[in-house]
Amino acid sequence: QVQLQESGPRLVKPSETLSLTCTVSGDSISFYYWSWIRQPSGKGLEWIGNIYYSGSTNYNPSLKSRVTISVDTSNNQFSLKLSSVSAADTAVYYCTRGGSYYNYWGQGTLVTVSS
Amino acid sequence: EIVLTQSPGTLSLSPGERATLSCRASQSVSNSFLAWYQQKPGQAPRLLIYGASTRATGIPDRFSGGGSGTDFTLTISRLEPEDFAVYYCQQYGSSPPYTFGQGTKLEI
Repeated sequence: QVQLQESGPRLVKPSETLSLTCTVSGDSISFYYWSWIRQPSGKGLEWIGNIYYSGSTNYNPSLKSRVTISVDTSNNQFSLKLSSVSAADTAVYYCTRGGSYYNYWGQGTLVTVSS
Repeated sequence: EIVLTQSPGTLSLSPGERATLSCRASQSVSNSFLAWYQQKPGQAPRLLIYGASTRATGIPDRFSGGGSGTDFTLTISRLEPEDFAVYYCQQYGSSPPYTFGQGTKLEI
């Protein structure tokens, strides 16, 4: 059974960089796309971007200037960095498997941007 | 960017009834690359349908998807108590960004 688990700081100060890691278990990270999606409290879902195991990426144009997604195949992990955060970036962040639709999700982690 | 508009915003029904949820796209979704998800409070979304009409693994057959082009529907033939949740459509037919609808809340 494929499982994904997000980890990283839950509180980030404004203007700093949000960093999350997703650890994949039950399957190899190779040969799949992996994505990040976020959801502000009480709101809908926003696609952040994806990465192929080879390292090629796609980002949401609305976030592209601030987002970096990377993959670490040796540790079966992929990561998200979002720079220059503001309160608008406060959300539950999900890591998922898939480059188009998403059939495996992490439980999500709430990241709050506040001083 | 394709904008997805879901209707209604909230749908109030009873167990045993039939639910029909709508998702309209601002432009044609190529190859019917549209998915539906169910989300319950405090949980991650669960994939129900992809390719507009293909049920994901383990999804009961009371869930069905249809449509093409710009108009898509999710139908739940006979509502069970566990079906009351928020439902999202998502398109992946165009180049990124892959966009989601704003959701339909299905309530008792």
